[in-house]
Amino acid sequence: GAVVSQHPSRVICKSGTSVKIECRSLDFQATTMFWYRQFPKQSLMLMATSNEGSKATYEQGVEKDKFLINHASLTLSTLTVTSAHPEDSSFYICSARSTGPAPTQYFGPGTRLTVL
Amino acid sequence: GIQVEQSPPDLILQEGANSTLRCNFSDSVNNLQWFHQNPWGQLINLFYIPSGTKQNGRLSATTVATERYSLLYISSSQTTDSGVYFCAVERKAGNTGKLIFGQGTTLQVKP
Repeated sequence: GAVVSQHPSRVICKSGTSVKIECRSLDFQATTMFWYRQFPKQSLMLMATSNEGSKATYEQGVEKDKFLINHASLTLSTLTVTSAHPEDSSFYICSARSTGPAPTQYFGPGTRLTVL
Repeated sequence: GIQVEQSPPDLILQEGANSTLRCNFSDSVNNLQWFHQNPWGQLINLFYIPSGTKQNGRLSATTVATERYSLLYISSSQTTDSGVYFCAVERKAGNTGKLIFGQGTTLQVKP
């Protein structure tokens, strides 16, 4: 089956630093990847759509300068949380969308970010 | 935007019992997926089911697209079925590929 990896799985950083999270589709190519954020006991909230070779599109209320997204290849998208603050602490999950007649999203295992 | 409502929000079962989870959505969809989020946060794909019925072991799902709802059936539940079940839909209009998630059903299966 389709596998999506995320790295790192857990990161703790000081306030003001930047953190990069990688999302890779391991056995399929994905022209489109997505980034979600999940707070404890809540559902997933879509942050942005990452398109290979073009700029990401952000959902309303998501700061594009705070959450930088780069989709450098058909198997890699990165999310950089810039100048992180404690309120950015959350569980970040990426997904990759397969192509074909039944386009399906496959999710990475998530990255737990804690900003001190 | 499209609304996705799941019910019930919480469900407690005794091992071996059957259950039905429901997902209502407010607009036509291209895609509907059911997921199980395990205790470590990993979302596990259960079904890609924009319409029709599918079965996989003790799980089955039915989507009636014309009436805008989907059902997930769990039979002979096991403690390992515990976790949060999410329904997510991709709105047909715009064909963006974006999945909008419901609030989830938290299932606890007791031994």
